[in-house]
Amino acid sequence: DAGVTQSPTHLIKTRGQQVTLRCSPISGHKSVSWYQQVLGQGPQFIFQYYEKEERGRGNFPDRFSARQFPNYSSELNVNALLLGDSALYLCASSLGPTRGTDTQYFGPGTRLTVL
Amino acid sequence: GQQLNQSPQSMFIQEGEDVSMNCTSSSIFNTWLWYKQDPGEGPVLLIALYKAGELTSNGRLTAQFGITRKDSFLNISASIPSDVGIYFCAGQIGDKIIFGKGTRLHILP
Repeated sequence: DAGVTQSPTHLIKTRGQQVTLRCSPISGHKSVSWYQQVLGQGPQFIFQYYEKEERGRGNFPDRFSARQFPNYSSELNVNALLLGDSALYLCASSLGPTRGTDTQYFGPGTRLTVL
Repeated sequence: GQQLNQSPQSMFIQEGEDVSMNCTSSSIFNTWLWYKQDPGEGPVLLIALYKAGELTSNGRLTAQFGITRKDSFLNISASIPSDVGIYFCAGQIGDKIIFGKGTRLHILP
């Protein structure tokens, strides 16, 4: 079975532009989470979506938005890009709310460089 | 806010040596997770711990969920070259996962 897939793998943008990143979860997983990983740091939580609804949001500005589609794939949008948005953007998929802990599995990430 | 303190920041060891790294927090977590990240890839889940005091092994890896629910450690026995990479601890409560800053493992030939 395919794991979590993300596209594109690399992206270069200039300040002020907008970017859309895409993620397809593991088959059967209904929840998608997005993380930002700046060089030398651990991933930081941005959003979680389950059944097309936002379930959680990290400490990120409104320039960051996301949505989940009926097939459970997801897009992360970032508007008015800043140099500091340069990072690896990771998508993680999971089954969704369960009685126990919902284990997340990560994709390879999209490397965004803002010039 | 919730933060995880992961140590050491980096390690240089000889092949065959055992490795130990740990993570502490001022907050209580329901789950502790250990991930490994290779260059250019996303983190890969190594071990998940769901219960305070739990000790779990995955091959040469062993991890424990601290009794206070505020800490965890990961041990790697008999290190091999493919163990090189960055190891992240993460605490999960509900849908939210908080990551440590990582331990970079270097193995000398």
